[in-house]
Amino acid sequence: EAGVVQSPRYKIIEKKQPVAFWCNPISGHNTLYWYLQNLGQGPELLIRYENEEAVDDSQLPKDRFSAERLKGVDSTLKIQPAELGDSAVYLCASSQGPADTQYFGPGTRLTVL
Amino acid sequence: KQEVTQIPAALSVPEGENLVLNCSFTDSAIYNLQWFRQDPGKGLTSLLLIQSSQREQTSGRLNASLDKSSGRSTLYIAASQPGDSATYLCAVLVTGGGNKLTFGTGTQLKVEL
Repeated sequence: EAGVVQSPRYKIIEKKQPVAFWCNPISGHNTLYWYLQNLGQGPELLIRYENEEAVDDSQLPKDRFSAERLKGVDSTLKIQPAELGDSAVYLCASSQGPADTQYFGPGTRLTVL
Repeated sequence: KQEVTQIPAALSVPEGENLVLNCSFTDSAIYNLQWFRQDPGKGLTSLLLIQSSQREQTSGRLNASLDKSSGRSTLYIAASQPGDSATYLCAVLVTGGGNKLTFGTGTQLKVEL
């Protein structure tokens, strides 16, 4: 069975440009997460979805970040405009339920120049 | 606010040695604790999940213990191998306020031949 799929794996953009990341969770997993991981740090939750509903987006910088999971399956995270400080790895994870083991994708490494 | 600390930040051991990684958390009202492994440039792989009612979990050469009252967990790796070289992260799940997984900063392990 395929794991969590993310694309692209790497992205280099100039500041003020928009960027989007895509995630396809494990089939049947209702809960989807987006995390941000800075170098040498653990992941930090940006947003959690239960099916198509965003149930925890308290850490999402809403002035520039947005996310959607329209059909309750795959999800897109967007940054517009990107800032230098957004350079990090963006991880997607999924689980059957909110208290179950989370399975992570390989991440998208974003570099903002 | 839940804070998770991992000690040491980095560890280098010779092949074959048994080792212990430590994790502490400030709020003992957790639902479960998970240990993850992260290889360079990769996502996280779940190793062990311990429910709050459990004391330990074992998988192969790995054994994780949990002392919820003191806010501590250890990951024991027996007979370490070079393939165990990676960053190990612990994370605690708190259900109050919406099922949030809080990660430590990780222990970077290097097992040398």
